Amino acid sequence: EDKVVQSPLSLVVHEGDTVTLNCSYEVTNFRSLLWYKQEKKAPTFLFMLTSSGIEKKSGRLSSILDKKELFSILNITATQTGDSAVYLCAVDLNTDKLIFGTGTRLQVFP
Amino acid sequence: ETGVTQTPRHLVMGMTNKKSLKCEQHLGHNAMYWYKQSAKKPLELMFVYSLEERVENNSVPSRFSPECPNSSHLFLHLHTLQPEDSALYLCASSQQTSFTGELFFGEGSRLTVL
Repeated sequence: EDKVVQSPLSLVVHEGDTVTLNCSYEVTNFRSLLWYKQEKKAPTFLFMLTSSGIEKKSGRLSSILDKKELFSILNITATQTGDSAVYLCAVDLNTDKLIFGTGTRLQVFP
Repeated sequence: ETGVTQTPRHLVMGMTNKKSLKCEQHLGHNAMYWYKQSAKKPLELMFVYSLEERVENNSVPSRFSPECPNSSHLFLHLHTLQPEDSALYLCASSQQTSFTGELFFGEGSRLTVL
């Protein structure tokens, strides 16, 4: 059975901290891995990763994929209260399906 | 604003009611999706439409009935639901079903079944 597992389930940090969110997967037909941020309702796209070892970066957020070990990490440096959200990892199965993890809830306090 | 609009934002219904959720996308995309998000569970894909044709029905009970009259509109018709169907229902669109980019999600419709 295809599955995506995220850890930790929740994380509480102070502003300025650096956090690392993990996503591991076991799927039959991998095409890409995507990260989304869900603040209130609508998840918004962060990154799409298809190749191992190539870091994607957007401001304080960065992500990398390891296709050998079947995982990805999402790093957020110098966290701000606006980073508080649920971060979703999803794997594109190359069959018009995205399989999502349960998400990591990040809370950043001042 | 993601370009995907869902109505209503909140819906409370009894188990014998019939209601519908509506989704409209203004992005010119060819594919639309319904996802269900329950507490502490991953987003679950329900239905996929490509150019108004259903290409995926992910073992969803028949009490959920999708309709896609054109590539910009998607409905989810609800009848004789169960309390466990209470969840956030998210609509999404993409350029095409063979993902080359990301999904664009609506704000969701929070459904409560009494």
